[in-house]
Amino acid sequence: QVQLQESGPGLVRPSETLSLTCTVSGGSISTYYWSWIRQPPGRGLEWIGYIFYTGSTNYNPSLESRVTISLDTSKNQISLKLSSVTAADTAVYYCTKRGYMDVWGKGTTVTVSS
Amino acid sequence: DIVMTQSPDSLAVSLGERVTVNCKSSQRVLDSSNNKNRLAWFQQKPGQPPKLLIYWASTRESGVPDRFSGSGSGTDFTLTISSLQAEDVAVYYCQQYYSTPYTFGQGTKLEIK
Repeated sequence: QVQLQESGPGLVRPSETLSLTCTVSGGSISTYYWSWIRQPPGRGLEWIGYIFYTGSTNYNPSLESRVTISLDTSKNQISLKLSSVTAADTAVYYCTKRGYMDVWGKGTTVTVSS
Repeated sequence: DIVMTQSPDSLAVSLGERVTVNCKSSQRVLDSSNNKNRLAWFQQKPGQPPKLLIYWASTRESGVPDRFSGSGSGTDFTLTISSLQAEDVAVYYCQQYYSTPYTFGQGTKLEIK
């Protein structure tokens, strides 16, 4: 069965770009929608955006100007880039599969701090 | 954006009792292609990612105990736990995947009384 694993720096400086990778195992990324979700400490869930296996993307308008999601089919990975980060971007970041998110990674904690 | 509003924000229920969590969407989330509602329910325990319980408003995910059920139509949906078990202590979220941006309810924290 498909498993997801997020990875990336745990600490990002304000105004820099957050870069995360989601590695898919047990299946191909060449199907389904793949989303990024984030959860600030002690708070609820926010959808960041998704990428379809064709490469088409859809982003949350609240983040659209700063977000890029892409695929690397050769590595079976989905990446997230979020630019110009502030403390408000501190969160656990998850990657998920499908619109109803049937598979989640364990998440990776990103702290934005100088 | 479709706003998802859950009620209550928290509740405490005795073991073995019935639990009901409500979710109201600001607009309909019915997929006309299959006449199913694009509404999912998740369970999140501390330090863990959310876990899918229910999708299409009433379809139980494989492996989820049958004490969990989903129902609803229009803009009102319900997650029911028929008999509360200790391991059900968690925060529960509803989510619509009808239109982007996908949105979640604020969460309902379930505790044991």
